[in-house]
Amino acid sequence: GQSLEQPSEVTAVEGAIVQINCTYQTSGFYGLSWYQQHDGGAPTFLSYNALDGLEETGRFSSFLSRSDSYGYLLLQELQMKDSASYFCAALENQGGKLIFGQGTELSVKP
Amino acid sequence: SQTIHQWPATLVQPVGSPLSLECTVEGTSNPNLYWYRQAAGRGLQLLFYSVGIGQISSEVPQNLSASRPQDRQFILSSKKLLLSDSGFYLCAWNHRGLKLFFGSGTQLSVL
Repeated sequence: GQSLEQPSEVTAVEGAIVQINCTYQTSGFYGLSWYQQHDGGAPTFLSYNALDGLEETGRFSSFLSRSDSYGYLLLQELQMKDSASYFCAALENQGGKLIFGQGTELSVKP
Repeated sequence: SQTIHQWPATLVQPVGSPLSLECTVEGTSNPNLYWYRQAAGRGLQLLFYSVGIGQISSEVPQNLSASRPQDRQFILSSKKLLLSDSGFYLCAWNHRGLKLFFGSGTQLSVL
């Protein structure tokens, strides 16, 4: 079946770096994207990888390795406002089927 | 610029009642449209997605249905709600890529 696996919780301190991993198993694969969701809000797009390698967008970076069916989101210089849930999502077909992982709850401590 | 509208923000419905949630996108044409559901503290479950008018792909064989009567309008419906239909319903759009834009969501409580 199709699935994306993420750790359920991660805790880090302000100013630190944290990595959130995502492994996927899908019938097809056309890339991985990442979203942030604060309590009660809608998810917002952070970053994506259509090809292997690292993509950097400010404090956030995302990495993809197709051969390992693995990606991660890297958050640098953590701030309290980064406390939220983070989701990876895989594009399973060229028609646009996007499936999500169960999410990782990040808690940033002072 | 593109915007997505989803309403209502909250909805309380009795078991067995019908449901209609509407989503519209402005500022773009021929988008992919999506309906997701999120249970409390859980991930996003893909319910339906559409690549064009009248073209609906169903991912969840339950008592929900979706329709796309116009290019930028996506409707989620049910004839009879179940308790298990409670959740946070999210509409989203993109242009066939990895970057998805979400509406503000509808919190549905079925009692």
